[in-house]
Amino acid sequence: AQKITQTQPGMFVQEKEAVTLDCTYDTSDPSYGLFWYKQPSSGEMIFLIYQGSYDQQNATEGRYSLNFQKARKSANLVISASQLGDSAMYFCAMRDLRGGFKTIFGAGTRLFVKA
Amino acid sequence: EAQVTQNPRYLITVTGKKLTVTCSQNMNHEYMSWYRQDPGLGLRQIYYSMNVEVTDKGDVPEGYKVSRKEKRNFPLILESPSPNQTSLYFCASSPLAGRATGDTQYFGPGTRLTVL
Repeated sequence: AQKITQTQPGMFVQEKEAVTLDCTYDTSDPSYGLFWYKQPSSGEMIFLIYQGSYDQQNATEGRYSLNFQKARKSANLVISASQLGDSAMYFCAMRDLRGGFKTIFGAGTRLFVKA
Repeated sequence: EAQVTQNPRYLITVTGKKLTVTCSQNMNHEYMSWYRQDPGLGLRQIYYSMNVEVTDKGDVPEGYKVSRKEKRNFPLILESPSPNQTSLYFCASSPLAGRATGDTQYFGPGTRLTVL
């Protein structure tokens, strides 16, 4: 069965420092996509970054990068130069890309950025 | 503006009183899905649909129904709500044309449901 694990319920980071949010996954499907979403206190889900299982290079989007280690089945999100506005809940998600497009989410990590 | 809309945004109801949460998207997406979000559990998929008249169960379909009669709409129906269905519900949509590249899902603003 597919599974996403985020082992850090909460994390603190100093403003302007980098932070890594952990995500490990389990699947037997060869074709899948990994996503990270941000959920601020206002509640909306904001897409941050995507990594496909066949992508050779790690994805980057501005201050966000995804450290994809396929053999270890990990897809950690790295946020560089943290800002106060980065304080939010972060979810890792995995999507089956060949079958029914089913998506599963991790439990989330709440990030607190300190001034 | 491309968006997914949900109504109502907030709802307090009583056990057993049938309710419908509507979801509509204006992006002509084939794929639509419903999730519920509970503390410590993240988002869990309830139902999804890959096109009109095509729906499939997600991980937590018990107590819910859906229909997809039109491409843009995907209502979530609770025939007999119970307190354990108190949750934050999200509707999402995405194109299927990007399935090889994994287009992200676009989420609605969420519906906070309380069942007393």
